[in-house]
Amino acid sequence: EAGVTQFPSHSVIEKGQTVTLRCDPISGHDNLYWYRRVMGKEIKFLLHFVKESKQDESGMPNNRFLAERTGGTYSTLKVQPAELEDSGVYFCASSQDLQGSAGELFFGEGSRLTVL
Amino acid sequence: QKEVEQDPGPLSVPEGAIVSLNCTYSNSAFQYFMWYRQYSRKGPELLMYTYSSGNKEDGRFTAQVDKSSKYISLFIRDSQPSDSATYLCAMRFNRKLIWGLGTSLAVNP
Repeated sequence: EAGVTQFPSHSVIEKGQTVTLRCDPISGHDNLYWYRRVMGKEIKFLLHFVKESKQDESGMPNNRFLAERTGGTYSTLKVQPAELEDSGVYFCASSQDLQGSAGELFFGEGSRLTVL
Repeated sequence: QKEVEQDPGPLSVPEGAIVSLNCTYSNSAFQYFMWYRQYSRKGPELLMYTYSSGNKEDGRFTAQVDKSSKYISLFIRDSQPSDSATYLCAMRFNRKLIWGLGTSLAVNP
């Protein structure tokens, strides 16, 4: 069974440009999360989808970030325009929603974004 | 004050040693307590999780939670070079994970 896949693995862009990160969750997982790790800091929650609906987007830094989940399948995270402080590793995770469990999150390998 | 505190290390031990990794937290509303392992250039992978105070064992790994002290631990027995990785504690609040910085562990053959 394929795990969570993310693309691209690494992106280098200039300040002011646009980047779109893609995540394909494990098939059948309704829950999809985006997290980000900035160098030297903890991994931080960005947002949570249940199917195609945004359940919680309280971690999104500002309106330069736009996340979508088309038809409840794959998700994209667009940063427009990118700023230097957006550099970091963006992780996507997915989970089933099993009542009474911790809802184990399965993570992708991350998309490393470098903004110059 | 950070919600989750974790010493980033690095920690270096000889093969076969017992490793102790710890986190403290401030929010008594955290519901689940998790340990993730992350190899270089990979995503975090869940090792263990606990819900209540006490111990949980899985092979060479033991997770311990003390809710009264807001303190969690992960013990690795008979550590192996393949255990060399970053170990992150994470606490679940509603549907979010709140993370520690991660501790970098090197097990030397």
